[in-house]
Amino acid sequence: ETGVTQSPTHLIKTRGQQVTLRCSSQSGHNTVSWYQQALGQGPQFIFQYYREEENGRGNFPPRFSGLQFPNYSSELNVNALELDDSALYLCASSRTPGGYGYTFGSGTRLTVV
Amino acid sequence: TQLLEQSPQFLSIQEGENLTVYCNSSSVFSSLQWYRQEPGEGPVLLVTVVTGGEVKKLKRLTFQFGDARKDSSLHITAAQPGDTGLYLCAGAPVRSVGTSYGKLTFGQGTILTVHP
Repeated sequence: ETGVTQSPTHLIKTRGQQVTLRCSSQSGHNTVSWYQQALGQGPQFIFQYYREEENGRGNFPPRFSGLQFPNYSSELNVNALELDDSALYLCASSRTPGGYGYTFGSGTRLTVV
Repeated sequence: TQLLEQSPQFLSIQEGENLTVYCNSSSVFSSLQWYRQEPGEGPVLLVTVVTGGEVKKLKRLTFQFGDARKDSSLHITAAQPGDTGLYLCAGAPVRSVGTSYGKLTFGQGTILTVHP
């Protein structure tokens, strides 16, 4: 079975710009969660999508938004980029939304200059 | 807000030594998961512990969940250079009204370096 695929792997954006990150979930998984991992820190929960609906959100401002598509792939959109948004963005898929059996992708490294 | 305190933050040891990483919280979790992350990669799940007092072994790695389900430990016996990496603990919340029960709370990680 294929794992979780994220694109792009690296991205450099200018402060104030908008960015879209993409995630293809593992086969058989209907839930996608997004995490932000700053350098030297553990991942922080952004939000989760289950059956195309947002199913929980962490302490991130509304300029962080997402989508899940009928094939369970997902997008993370960030508007009005700030320097502090520079981080590794991780996508994790699972069979259920209950916080078990996560498979993480390799992440997208976003640098905001 | 649930927090997980992971210690130590850095660990540098010689091949063959034993080590323990701790993960502590004042909150109760429904499960505790341990991940290992290599540079440029996402975390890879090592184990999930669910029952208070549970002990799981994975070759030279032993994982324990505290009786009160607030803390956990990872013990590595006879560490090898291949064990080098970032170790993360993550707690899943107890399911209740208004809880994002899919949200994992991660510790800040332990960077382990095992020298040959």
